[in-house]
Amino acid sequence: AAGVIQSPRHLIKEKRETATLKCYPIPRHDTVYWYQQGPGQDPQFLISFYEKMQSDKGSIPDRFSAQQFSDYHSELNMSSLELGDSALYFCASSFGPNYGYTFGSGTRLTVV
Amino acid sequence: QQQVKQSPQSLIVQKGGISIINCAYENTAFDYFPWYQQFPGKGPALLIAIRPDVSEKKEGRFTISFNKSAKQFSLHIMDSQPGDSATYFCAATRSGSRLTFGEGTQLTVNP
Repeated sequence: AAGVIQSPRHLIKEKRETATLKCYPIPRHDTVYWYQQGPGQDPQFLISFYEKMQSDKGSIPDRFSAQQFSDYHSELNMSSLELGDSALYFCASSFGPNYGYTFGSGTRLTVV
Repeated sequence: QQQVKQSPQSLIVQKGGISIINCAYENTAFDYFPWYQQFPGKGPALLIAIRPDVSEKKEGRFTISFNKSAKQFSLHIMDSQPGDSATYFCAATRSGSRLTFGEGTQLTVNP
């Protein structure tokens, strides 16, 4: 079965650079969630989209922005990167905002 | 402020033993309580979940016990196997929105 696809799997950036993370949800899923997981931490909710509209916003820095496109894929744009942004970034998708959503394998961002 | 508190932080059990992980929550509006299993470098995978109108749910070797009045729930892994070694997160959500995770438990099952 198709899963949530995230790209790239690994990304190394320097401080103050920008990064773009992409998420391709499971086919027919219209809701996307973004989470950030620091080393040894639990995942923290960043933002979610339902039918291309922002549906909820968590602890996402102002330096980050995200959107969901007409094909339901989503991109997380991160600017002025800081060392503290180094983390695993997970995307999850569901059909409608519901309880059973599926996570991707994540993008590991390292800021040096 | 952690809305979902999880313990223990780490757990070591012998193969065949029972692993027990506990969680407590504050927000009584939560209406869905999933458990996730995460292997290194992978995304969290849904293991089992329960709603507050049920006191226990069992799926294979995994059982959730739920105590609504105490605002606590726990995961029991029976006949623990080395392949169960992973980090386990409890979580809670309201109306299928954002998940609030516990701090995680690193489980090691020794052969």
